[in-house]
Amino acid sequence: QKEVEQDPGPLSVPEGAIVSLNCTYSNSAFQYFMWYRQYSRKGPELLMYTYSSGNKEDGRFTAQVDKSSKYISLFIRDSQPSDSATYLCAMQPAAGNKLTFGGGTRVLVKP
Amino acid sequence: DAMVIQNPRYQVTQFGKPVTLSCSQTLNHNVMYWYQQKSSQAPKLLFHYYDKDFNNEADTPDNFQSRRPNTSFCFLDIRSPGLGDAAMYLCATVDGLGDTQYFGPGTRLTVL
Repeated sequence: QKEVEQDPGPLSVPEGAIVSLNCTYSNSAFQYFMWYRQYSRKGPELLMYTYSSGNKEDGRFTAQVDKSSKYISLFIRDSQPSDSATYLCAMQPAAGNKLTFGGGTRVLVKP
Repeated sequence: DAMVIQNPRYQVTQFGKPVTLSCSQTLNHNVMYWYQQKSSQAPKLLFHYYDKDFNNEADTPDNFQSRRPNTSFCFLDIRSPGLGDAAMYLCATVDGLGDTQYFGPGTRLTVL
């Protein structure tokens, strides 16, 4: 079993819909949680960063962490075709430790 | 302005012909990482540097070597590339708090 599980998709939604992404993990030591967006043939770009449990909002993006369930989510409101990309979750037990990535979910937002 | 720069963006080599990929950063971060990412997979950590202190992942093949001559530059050498080494190679740096990795655009390696 992988330490971090993420549905590979693809997840196809119409423009304007809410995109809902999630990851589950098994290592209870993880404290720092990130979401990266990766466009085709480009490097990952950090979208959201959360420490421990709770919600964080940044524009159209909301990240949620539920440590009791070992479950993290990313929501994208009012999705745009430019949001079409692969979204990777990543986590680490402490700052400076190596990241453990999920496999990524490919998202396609159709105009 | 680009903060983590990787060159070349695309590299084609022949089976068994050594290749070097480069990464430079303008952030003055002391931690640098090299990842290998194959199609539709998560990035896989190959090694990382804390300053000049080199850390190799246990499952990184001996075929892969790295050099960091100074804070700004880091190189990935693949001594004898095989077909299975075709992938995107990503360089990343970490800021002073150690909690945010900044990735470069990657070098896509093709092995013929």
